[in-house]
Amino acid sequence: DIVLTQSPLTLPVTPGEPASISCRSSQSPLHDNGYNYLDWYVQKPGQSPQLLIYLGSHRASGVPDRFSGSGSGTEFTLKISRVEAEDVGVYYCMQVLQTPFTFGPGTKVDIK
Amino acid sequence: QVHLVESGGGVVQPGRSLRLSCAASGFTFNTHGMHWVRQAPGKGLEWVAVIWSDGTNKYYADFVNGRFTISRDNSKNTLYLQMDSLRAEDTAIYYCARGHDILAGFLDNWGQGTLVTVSA
Repeated sequence: DIVLTQSPLTLPVTPGEPASISCRSSQSPLHDNGYNYLDWYVQKPGQSPQLLIYLGSHRASGVPDRFSGSGSGTEFTLKISRVEAEDVGVYYCMQVLQTPFTFGPGTKVDIK
Repeated sequence: QVHLVESGGGVVQPGRSLRLSCAASGFTFNTHGMHWVRQAPGKGLEWVAVIWSDGTNKYYADFVNGRFTISRDNSKNTLYLQMDSLRAEDTAIYYCARGHDILAGFLDNWGQGTLVTVSA
């Protein structure tokens, strides 16, 4: 199974400042089609999870451009250029290259 | 607008069965793979199963170990999860989610979840 690890697990942030979350995969999630099957989700307090970034670097519909995804090989990063108060929640990476699909443990982002 | 509504959760004794449903609307159901994902109280997300758009292929998390069956009725735009031999550790909110493509793909829309509590 592909194991995803995230760091940090908790991330206190200051509004207006940048933030970054790392996701490391035990195997490359690179598909034969050239896309990384590595996605990012956020679960805001009291809500269902929602898609943020798909195929490693593509923002989902409606996601603000302060969010960006990057990475290759087994190292991926979610960046928030300027954190806003509404960004608090738990952020998960997930791989859908190989079953069983797997999530990372989550990174809790809260305001300092 | 994509709409996914789970139902069928509740309190069930260990060893018993439960069937969850997910009613889909707002999109062409039979052109998307569908997933179940769960979240135990205070814990992270855990992928459970996926079924391809035509129902021909199904894949499960290791912990399922033959106890759960994912299925779909494309004529009713409904996804199911039959859960047998339930254990206390199956207690969780169960979410259905739409896969982006006909096989699986990333999870681009999620339901609100249904709570399953396994307790004597």
